[in-house]
Amino acid sequence: EAGVTQFPSHSVIEKGQTVTLRCDPISGHDNLYWYRRVMGKEIKFLLHFVKESKQDESGMPNNRFLAERTGGTYSTLKVQPAELEDSGVYFCASSNDRVTQYFGPGTRLLVL
Amino acid sequence: AQSVTQLDSQVPVFEEAPVELRCNYSSSVSVYLFWYVQYPNQGLQLLLKYLSGSTLVKGINGFEAEFNKSQTSFHLRKPSVHISDTAEYFCAVSDYFNKFYFGSGTKLNVKP
Repeated sequence: EAGVTQFPSHSVIEKGQTVTLRCDPISGHDNLYWYRRVMGKEIKFLLHFVKESKQDESGMPNNRFLAERTGGTYSTLKVQPAELEDSGVYFCASSNDRVTQYFGPGTRLLVL
Repeated sequence: AQSVTQLDSQVPVFEEAPVELRCNYSSSVSVYLFWYVQYPNQGLQLLLKYLSGSTLVKGINGFEAEFNKSQTSFHLRKPSVHISDTAEYFCAVSDYFNKFYFGSGTKLNVKP
């Protein structure tokens, strides 16, 4: 069984540009989560999808961040326009029981 | 709200020595507890979890953790570490809403 995959693994962009991160959850997992780790700090929750619906988006930092999950399968997280403080590692996780979350390898975003 | 404190940001230890990575949490409700490991250039891998029942939980790679409700702790232990255990370890807690709260991580550096 394939694990959670994320694309790209790394992204370097300039301030003001747009970046889209993609997450493919484990097949059959209805729950999908996004987290972010800013350099050296704790990993923080961004939002939670159940199928295609946003269950909780209380961790989204501001309206420059837009998450979607079309058809309840893969999810995208768009940052537009990117700012320097958006740099960090973005993790995606999925779950089929809302208890244990399985994480992807992360996308390392650097905004210059 | 929940919070997690990992008391040591870095733990150096010699190979074959025992190690304990400390984790304390604060919560006003019952929680689930997890330890994840991130090896260099990889994603987060689930080490072990406490949901209920026995307070001593065994995980992969010889790790175990003990849930102590009175001290609100969930320390991770291994009786004899290997070079390959060098990684960053994260303690996490979730409540019934399934949102994870992470500690800031502990880097375990195993020396030969």
